[in-house]
Amino acid sequence: AQSVTQPDIHITVSEGASLELRCNYSYGATPYLFWYVQSPGQGLQLLLKYFSGDTLVQGIKGFEAEFKRSQSSFNLRKPSVHWSDAAEYFCAVSGYSTLTFGKGTMLLVSP
Amino acid sequence: KAGVTQTPRYLIKTRGQQVTLSCSPISGHRSVSWYQQTPGQGLQFLFEYFSETQRNKGNFPGRFSGRQFSNSRSEMNVSTLELGDSALYLCASSPRDSITNEQFFGPGTRLTVL
Repeated sequence: AQSVTQPDIHITVSEGASLELRCNYSYGATPYLFWYVQSPGQGLQLLLKYFSGDTLVQGIKGFEAEFKRSQSSFNLRKPSVHWSDAAEYFCAVSGYSTLTFGKGTMLLVSP
Repeated sequence: KAGVTQTPRYLIKTRGQQVTLSCSPISGHRSVSWYQQTPGQGLQFLFEYFSETQRNKGNFPGRFSGRQFSNSRSEMNVSTLELGDSALYLCASSPRDSITNEQFFGPGTRLTVL
């Protein structure tokens, strides 16, 4: 069965600092991987996705993620965080017509 | 294109009642999935419908059911509500039978059971 682990429940980053959110997945075949963001009281918005090819993928809002098969990881990065990035971030793996999500990482941005 | 819409956005019910939530997918999308989101369990898959047929089902009791209409709109029903059913219910649609399963989410319905 597929699974996703996001080891950090909360992360606090200063505005302007860089960000890396960790994601590890377990899936028996080539994974399709996603990062979503959820603001309070809202649905999920797709930030970026990895299907195949270049292991560094670019997304919206200045985010990028790197797929590392050897480490079963798909970490999300942003070089400079803005206060509006404060939200909850979910990593997900796709398989057999379902999406399996991690528990999420809550990002807090300090001034 | 309009996004995924869900109605109602907020709902308050009492234990033992039943509830029906509605989801309209993005135009042209034929797959609709439902998820339950709670602080303790996170995002959990309920079921997925494609062309009016339930294609996948998560590990939820039979009180949770759904259906999809010929226009791809979907409803989910929860009977005999329990306090633990309080959650944000999210609907997501996918274009056709997308193997990549890229899903587009609606804003959710916040259900509170008293």
